[in-house]
Amino acid sequence: KAGVTQTPRYLIKTRGQQVTLSCSPISGHRSVSWYQQTPGQGLQFLFEYFSETQRNKGNFPGRFSGRQFSNSRSEMNVSTLELGDSALYLCASSSVAGRNTEAFFGQGTRLTVV
Amino acid sequence: AQKVTQAQTEISVVEKEDVTLDCVYETRDTTYYLFWYKQPPSGELVFLIRRNSFDEQNEISGRYSWNFQKSTSSFNFTITASQVVDSAVYFCALSEAGTNAGKSTFGDGTTLTVKP
Repeated sequence: KAGVTQTPRYLIKTRGQQVTLSCSPISGHRSVSWYQQTPGQGLQFLFEYFSETQRNKGNFPGRFSGRQFSNSRSEMNVSTLELGDSALYLCASSSVAGRNTEAFFGQGTRLTVV
Repeated sequence: AQKVTQAQTEISVVEKEDVTLDCVYETRDTTYYLFWYKQPPSGELVFLIRRNSFDEQNEISGRYSWNFQKSTSSFNFTITASQVVDSAVYFCALSEAGTNAGKSTFGDGTTLTVKP
């Protein structure tokens, strides 16, 4: 069974640009969550999608957005990039909503904003 | 608001030593779930254990054991006879009842270094 796949693994962008990150969950998983990991702030929840609907959202500005497709794949978009957006972005998939099952994480996309 | 505190930022031990990673949490919910994850240098978080708030039984899995004490809001993780491969960042996490574990509050992590 394939794990959670995140693409690309590494990205370098310039301040002001926008970026789209992709996450393919484990087959059969319908919930996808996104986290930002930085040395200063640790792991912070961005948002969670289930069946193409955003179920939860963390405390991030509107520049951060996401969506989920009918095949459960998810994308995360960050517009007008700032230097502080440099981070490891992790995607996690879970099987069933509402049962607090464990989350399976991808290897992340390391975004560097210069 | 939920909060998870891992007071130990870094721990260094010599192989075969036992080591305990502390986790203290805060929540107003009566039903909640606690997790431990391991993050090796490759980046992905690896699930280790899940515990719900009604199950205070300690658990042992090989060299790993977990001590959940609701009275002190702690969920500590012990590695017995540590090995170099245990070197990683370990995260404790908390999620609310009724929500998917996809929305979890994580501690800042404890970096464990096991020296040969």
